[in-house]
Amino acid sequence: AQSVTQLDSHVSVSEGTPVLLRCNYSSSYSPSLFWYVQHPNKGLQLLLKYTSAATLVKGINGFEAEFKKSETSFHLTKPSAHMSDAAEYFCVVSEGPGTASKLTFGTGTRLQVTL
Amino acid sequence: EAQVTQNPRYLITVTGKKLTVTCSQNMNHEYMSWYRQDPGLGLRQIYYSMNVEVTDKGDVPEGYKVSRKEKRNFPLILESPSPNQTSLYFCASSSIPVLAKNIQYFGAGTRLSVL
Repeated sequence: AQSVTQLDSHVSVSEGTPVLLRCNYSSSYSPSLFWYVQHPNKGLQLLLKYTSAATLVKGINGFEAEFKKSETSFHLTKPSAHMSDAAEYFCVVSEGPGTASKLTFGTGTRLQVTL
Repeated sequence: EAQVTQNPRYLITVTGKKLTVTCSQNMNHEYMSWYRQDPGLGLRQIYYSMNVEVTDKGDVPEGYKVSRKEKRNFPLILESPSPNQTSLYFCASSSIPVLAKNIQYFGAGTRLSVL
């Protein structure tokens, strides 16, 4: 069975400072991992995905995430936060062969960016 | 433009009054899925469909029905809505999930209130 834990329900940073959103996963197989972003009153947009290629994954809007198998983590980072980054972020795991591409979502981390 | 379209975007109804939320995608995707999003719980899968006439239960199927008579459409049916089905619902689609690598595209969401 797969699961994902987002370690912080709310993160607040100042504009221009680094962002770190933490995610740990559990999976019986080689997982695929995703980060989705949801802006207020909007649908979900894919930020980036890891699918067993390079462990450092670059996404849109300057975000990146590093897959660390030994730590079962997939933390999302950005060097410098922008006001437009304020949103809710979901870490998502999907297991490998034999499953029906079921996505398991974390409970979300709300990112607040202050001036 | 590739998109997943849900209707209606907002719906207020009363307990027991049957309703249908429609979902349509224009990407010729085989896989479609319904999720509900509740505060502190992230997104949970209700039902999914691997292709026409092929549907299966997700994590929280109770109180819901789906059908997949055409490839592009995947309606969500609440035969007798109850207040605990008040939630934000998302439809998603992707091409056949090979090794769980495929990106799922999400609709903009349907906010349902059951009084």
